[in-house]
Amino acid sequence: EPEVTQTPSHQVTQMGQEVILRCVPISNHLYFYWYRQILGQKVEFLVSFYNNEISEKSEIFDDQFSVERPDGSNFTLKIRSTKLEDSAMYFCASSATGGRGYTFGSGTRLTVV
Amino acid sequence: GEDVEQSLFLSVREGDSSVINCTYTDSSSTYLYWYKQEPGAGLQLLTYIFSNMDMKQDQRLTVLLNKKDKHLSLRIADTQTGDSAIYFCAESTSGNTGKLIFGQGTTLQVKP
Repeated sequence: EPEVTQTPSHQVTQMGQEVILRCVPISNHLYFYWYRQILGQKVEFLVSFYNNEISEKSEIFDDQFSVERPDGSNFTLKIRSTKLEDSAMYFCASSATGGRGYTFGSGTRLTVV
Repeated sequence: GEDVEQSLFLSVREGDSSVINCTYTDSSSTYLYWYKQEPGAGLQLLTYIFSNMDMKQDQRLTVLLNKKDKHLSLRIADTQTGDSAIYFCAESTSGNTGKLIFGQGTTLQVKP
């Protein structure tokens, strides 16, 4: 069964450093998403991406965040200058059509120290 | 605004049925989902229901949707210890982006 692949599974970074979280969505999917889950809390929407541009973003997704689909297969989330409160599990997801057939990756646990 | 609420904890005995409840606010939701998350793991899609359906059954899982009350439930028949996990309800909002709004998750504890 097709999977969404995320790397790395766990990343530790110093506060103020830039991090790039990587995702390989399912190949024929057109919609791509990033979500995050702070420990013990809800899964929160960050951003959706369609047709090579951001289609919606939440208020969490400020200027420190950016997304890119650099080569037609990878989908990345960059955090420019990490803060302690960015520590969370970050999930990538893709879907064939918006709102249906969602598949989540297994997540990247980001720890900012 | 959009919001999804769930009770936080449910404890059942192995072999019993579990019912996890969820309420949502967006009446224009198109799809409603149930995800399972085991400790340290990702989000596993269990089932989903289209908003024009009342019920969907998939093996041990039964989803009931009451659109009038904006209430969704997941029933797990013959609950097993392997069903112990956090269960998230989520709604797909109106519009084309397909963003999901999640509830805070219900921890299901299955006692032997």
